Amino acid sequence: NAGVTQTPKFRILKIGQSMTLQCTQDMNHNYMYWYRQDPGMGLKLIYYSVGAGITDKGEVPNGYNVSRSTTEDFPLRLELAAPSQTSVYFCASSYSRQGTEAFFGQGTRLTVV
Amino acid sequence: GESVGLHLPTLSVQEGDNSIINCAYSNSASDYFIWYKQESGKGPQFIIDIRSNMDKRQGQRVTVLLNKTVKHLSLQIAATQPGDSAVYFCAESKGGGFKTIFGAGTRLFVKA
Repeated sequence: NAGVTQTPKFRILKIGQSMTLQCTQDMNHNYMYWYRQDPGMGLKLIYYSVGAGITDKGEVPNGYNVSRSTTEDFPLRLELAAPSQTSVYFCASSYSRQGTEAFFGQGTRLTVV
Repeated sequence: GESVGLHLPTLSVQEGDNSIINCAYSNSASDYFIWYKQESGKGPQFIIDIRSNMDKRQGQRVTVLLNKTVKHLSLQIAATQPGDSAVYFCAESKGGGFKTIFGAGTRLFVKA
């Protein structure tokens, strides 16, 4: 039981490049989330999903897209990387609608130069 | 958003002492209040939660207290150990995990 797995762990992107952050969970959780954690700031919700095929915007969705074709996978897509997207990205999943006892991945540290 | 990192509130305690980490929340309509622990270079880890209709909940070496009158949440760690050194976040949830708001973290240092 690996929990929530994120890849890659580190990435440097040039302005305007695109990339996909991968997230997979093996706990059969319906609820999945993407957060970003900026230096000097707390966690902000980017997108979330309540089940396969259903996604919605969080607090800071601009510049990102997500998809949820399976229960296990919830990739986050950056289309045109900007320096403001330099951050640490965390994927999380939970079994309850309340979102308590969420399980987080190890994070992806992204730098846009 | 709240600031963490360089301007993170810190708490320094002696190993074996009890720690109390405080948090003020903003939404009196929140359903759940949650504490997470984040060690350096890792993702947040769930510690304990409390429903809004409760005042106290105990876990293993941890107790969460909720004072709705003054919108205050605290996490008490008994017999603090070096492995407890981390950043602790409180969070509040209203209507689902997609509405979970994370508060400012507190960095806990445990002195041996």
